[in-house]
Amino acid sequence: DTAVSQTPKYLVTQMGNDKSIKCEQNLGHDTMYWYKQDSKKFLKIMFSYNNKELIINETVPNRFSPKSPDKAHLNLHINSLELGDSAVYFCASSQDQSSYEQYFGPGTRLTVT
Amino acid sequence: KNQVEQSPQSLIILEGKNCTLQCNYTVSPFSNLRWYKQDTGRGPVSLTIMTFSENTKSNGRYTATLDADTKQSSLHITASQLSDSASYICVVRSLGGGNKLTFGTGTQLKVEL
Repeated sequence: DTAVSQTPKYLVTQMGNDKSIKCEQNLGHDTMYWYKQDSKKFLKIMFSYNNKELIINETVPNRFSPKSPDKAHLNLHINSLELGDSAVYFCASSQDQSSYEQYFGPGTRLTVT
Repeated sequence: KNQVEQSPQSLIILEGKNCTLQCNYTVSPFSNLRWYKQDTGRGPVSLTIMTFSENTKSNGRYTATLDADTKQSSLHITASQLSDSASYICVVRSLGGGNKLTFGTGTQLKVEL
């Protein structure tokens, strides 16, 4: 009965590869997010989708492409992985764009070698 | 530039003791402030949410305060337990579209026997 789930939990890959991380929420929320947490534990928003529409796109390299097939899913595809992409990526969801509360997934630890 | 600064960066206390974590922000216009607890290897979980008009809010052994005039918040933990060992993150939301949050870098708390 996990509210926000992500797969995989760990991902180790080589530079130059393309990889995807998947996120699903079963809370019936309209809005979903991707965050990146660096080695200093600083969380920074990357993207936000509301009802499958992109509403926030921070300054993120275009190697990162989010995709929302439906409002319960928000996937993140990364092309040509670089060493600096190594981080923990968190998916989150909220009832809607103005909701105070965001619920986070368990994170995906990406290591690029 | 919207910023959220937390202190101390890390803290070690003995089980049963109290502690207070600080958060200063420059986010404007202010909407609300939240404290999250992030256990190692997990996503952040909300502890409290405070709006402009709220000065104090408690959640069990956690008590958050907010001074919107000085743009400061604190999180007080009473009678600490080993399970309180985690990173505590202060997050401030600004008014406006997109539900955009500014995250602090967190305080790493360790509770020891």
